Amino acid sequence: NAGVTQTPKFQVLKTGQSMTLQCAQDMNHNSMYWYRQDPGMGLRLIYYSASEGTTDKGEVPNGYNVSRLNKREFSLRLESAAPSQTSVYFCASSERWDRVFELFFGSGTQLSVL
Amino acid sequence: AQSVAQPEDQVNVAEGNPLTVKCTYSVSGNPYLFWYVQYPNRGLQFLLKYITGDNLVKGSYGFEAEFNKSQTSFHLKKPSALVSDSALYFCAVRDRDDYKLSFGAGTTVTVRA
Repeated sequence: NAGVTQTPKFQVLKTGQSMTLQCAQDMNHNSMYWYRQDPGMGLRLIYYSASEGTTDKGEVPNGYNVSRLNKREFSLRLESAAPSQTSVYFCASSERWDRVFELFFGSGTQLSVL
Repeated sequence: AQSVAQPEDQVNVAEGNPLTVKCTYSVSGNPYLFWYVQYPNRGLQFLLKYITGDNLVKGSYGFEAEFNKSQTSFHLKKPSALVSDSALYFCAVRDRDDYKLSFGAGTTVTVRA
């Protein structure tokens, strides 16, 4: 089972460039999430999608947009990258956001913005 | 507001010795509590969770955690650590009336042979 698949694994951008991080899950989960991981700060929620057709802001949404393309796919877009967005990005999914289901994570995207 | 504190950035133990990773939390209501583990260059993997009931929760790979409401703690434990337990461990909390899952900063565990 693939679980949660993220692409790309690594990316280097120049300030002001744009890019889209792709995420797909094959577990028929309803809810999907985007987190960023920074040293000493744990994981912070950027955006989440409770179900297909809905998206909501998390703790740190500024500078990002998301699209829930269908039940399987949830993409994260940086329109104009900034050095403060250098981080490791994780996509995750769960059966439902409002029940106590564990999250399943992708392997991450390491992004550097120069 | 809810928060999680992992007071130790690093924990070093010898293989075969007991392992404890500390976690304290703050929520306005009753908590759901989780432990996740991250191996190098991998995403986080679920270890165990506390919802209600028995304060001692058993999880994957021989790990367990004890919920202590009076001390607002949820420490992760393993009776006999393995070198393969070396990883980054995250505690997380969610208020029962909220969707948001808050993670601690993580504790790096190193088990030496």
